[in-house]
Amino acid sequence: QSVLTQPPSVSGAPGQRVTISCTGSSSNIGADYDVHWYQQLPGTAPKLLIYGNSNRPSGVPDRFSGSKSGTSASLAITGLQAEDEADYYCQSYDTSLSGYVFGGGTKVTVL
Amino acid sequence: EVQLVESGGGLVQPGGSLRLSCAASGFTFSNYWMHWVRQAPGKGLVWVSRINIDGSSTTYADSVKGRFTISRDNAKNTLYVQMNSLRVEDTAVYYCARMNTAMANDYWGQGTLVTVSS
Repeated sequence: QSVLTQPPSVSGAPGQRVTISCTGSSSNIGADYDVHWYQQLPGTAPKLLIYGNSNRPSGVPDRFSGSKSGTSASLAITGLQAEDEADYYCQSYDTSLSGYVFGGGTKVTVL
Repeated sequence: EVQLVESGGGLVQPGGSLRLSCAASGFTFSNYWMHWVRQAPGKGLVWVSRINIDGSSTTYADSVKGRFTISRDNAKNTLYVQMNSLRVEDTAVYYCARMNTAMANDYWGQGTLVTVSS
């Protein structure tokens, strides 16, 4: 049971828009800690996709966007492409645990 | 180019010990907090531990507290984690990761597999 809750899977056709939610609590996202998002392609290490809720590192396509509100955050992928098939994880800091926490991960499938 | 290369993984019996290393290059290692994150086979990412720039402050996930010790040698640009009293449930790929000023892990190593089994 992860501290941050994500849907196990989402899917969409090429070109569509999909969103992944990340629900936390008043001790992490709701305590004004930033949310970060990672993409993990099969068999590879995670890659930073979004940091500080909505910022993209250099090289990340603008098809990926992040937002945060209250105790939740979201990752949106617009213009879905086959290469976007991967697992996506949200991350934040939890003051009650005095540590960093990840969501359980969401598998994105391109139909 | 930023590179993080883990080593030291392998097969160990329950109750045994292992030390993982993470060799850093391509950036000023002593300026960055560093993390260990693990991933059990077929499972999600789990944060393990973090260390500040000079090693004077460390934090651990409850699941490894008292058994794992994170450390660093800034002269050697290397991060370590000493893992004692290993359990079957510690079986995972262990990643080292750099933390940026936004508290995000902006660079990751390729991971090293630790298998705890009799």
